[in-house]
Amino acid sequence: AQSVTQLDSQVPVFEEAPVELRCNYSSSVSVYLFWYVQYPNQGLQLLLKYLSGSTLVESINGFEAEFNKSQTSFHLRKPSVHISDTAEYFCAVIKAGGYQKVTFGTGTKLQVIP
Amino acid sequence: ETGVTQSPTHLIKTRGQQVTLRCSSQSGHNTVSWYQQALGQGPQFIFQYYREEENGRGNFPPRFSGLQFPNYSSELNVNALELDDSALYLCASSLAAGGALSSYEQYFGPGTRLTVT
Repeated sequence: AQSVTQLDSQVPVFEEAPVELRCNYSSSVSVYLFWYVQYPNQGLQLLLKYLSGSTLVESINGFEAEFNKSQTSFHLRKPSVHISDTAEYFCAVIKAGGYQKVTFGTGTKLQVIP
Repeated sequence: ETGVTQSPTHLIKTRGQQVTLRCSSQSGHNTVSWYQQALGQGPQFIFQYYREEENGRGNFPPRFSGLQFPNYSSELNVNALELDDSALYLCASSLAAGGALSSYEQYFGPGTRLTVT
């Protein structure tokens, strides 16, 4: 079975400052990794994914995450946050080659302070 | 291309009642997964349907059941509602395509907020 740990339940950060949201996973098999974002009273939106290839993946709105197999991590970073980035962020894994059950972490609430 | 839609948006039920939640998949998708998201928690996998058959199930009791229809829309049924069933129920659709990496991308609907009193 897979599991995901997001140690930080809340991360406050000033606008235009950098941020890192931490994600560690546990799995005995290969996995694919995802970050989803959830704005208040909305469903989940896929932010970025690692399936194969380059271990550094980027989103269209400036976020990036790096897959580190040795540390079993997939931390999310942004060099300069905006007020509109205020949301809850979920790290998730899927067993590679298995049916598409997504295992989510407990989420990190990013609060951008003006 | 239409996205994933869910109905109703909100629902209030009494303990012991039964509820049906509905989901329309994104156009072209053949797989639907359901998740329960309790307040302050990450979504928990309930089950998945592929070509009208259950294709995997999480740790939920049998009173949680589902259906997938030929047009790939889906229903989640919950019998004998309990207070702990109060949550946001999310539906996600995807295209299972013979192991293609794109099939691992799930697209979520806005959810149905169920309150059990």
